Amino acid sequence: QVQLVESGGGVVQPGRSLRVSCAASGFTFSSFGMQWVRQAPGKGLEWVAGISKDGSKKYYADSVKGRFTISRDNSEKTLYLQMNSLRAEDMGVYYCAKDEYFYGLFDHWGQGTLVTVSS
Amino acid sequence: EIVLTQSPATLSLSPGERATLSCRASQSVGSYLAWYQQKPGQAPRLLIYDASNRATDIPARFSGSGSGTDFTLTISSLEPEDFAIYYCQHRDSWPRGLTFGGGTKVEIK
Repeated sequence: QVQLVESGGGVVQPGRSLRVSCAASGFTFSSFGMQWVRQAPGKGLEWVAGISKDGSKKYYADSVKGRFTISRDNSEKTLYLQMNSLRAEDMGVYYCAKDEYFYGLFDHWGQGTLVTVSS
Repeated sequence: EIVLTQSPATLSLSPGERATLSCRASQSVGSYLAWYQQKPGQAPRLLIYDASNRATDIPARFSGSGSGTDFTLTISSLEPEDFAIYYCQHRDSWPRGLTFGGGTKVEIK
């Protein structure tokens, strides 16, 4: 069965960087698009970034464009989100999600990793 | 950017009752509308995609309808495990963007 396990969250100061990861299992990782979605504490869901199955196409929300980079290592079955110049408003739980046809639908989700931006 | 407005914000119902949740888009999204369920401390789960298609393993008591700007998620008879927050999401403007509604909390009356 599909399993997505995020890691790498933690406390980081404003302006600093952090990389979160998502380890995939139970499906052929290299055959599917992947996405990152975040949720600020007590708030709703916000799409962050998406990447095609081969990594050739990458898309970002305007709120993170130029600061965040999504990538993947298909040999390691791992998805990444490199977050630079972090702001207080970037704080929240970051979920990775599988997008079977890479058309903006999140069919399976990980449990999330918490990123706290605070001085 | 397409804005999705969900109503009501909170729905107080008893187990066995019917729940009707609304999602309205600021402009047409065709049928590219999905619904997710999120329980406290858990990740969201896909329930309905493309307005009316149930995702894998989703019980038949969940149904979706609508097109264009007005969509409805119906839970025909609430089970105790259905009390949660429900979000709608469109993919009409993918890959230019994706947005979620603000959510409807279904709570036990």
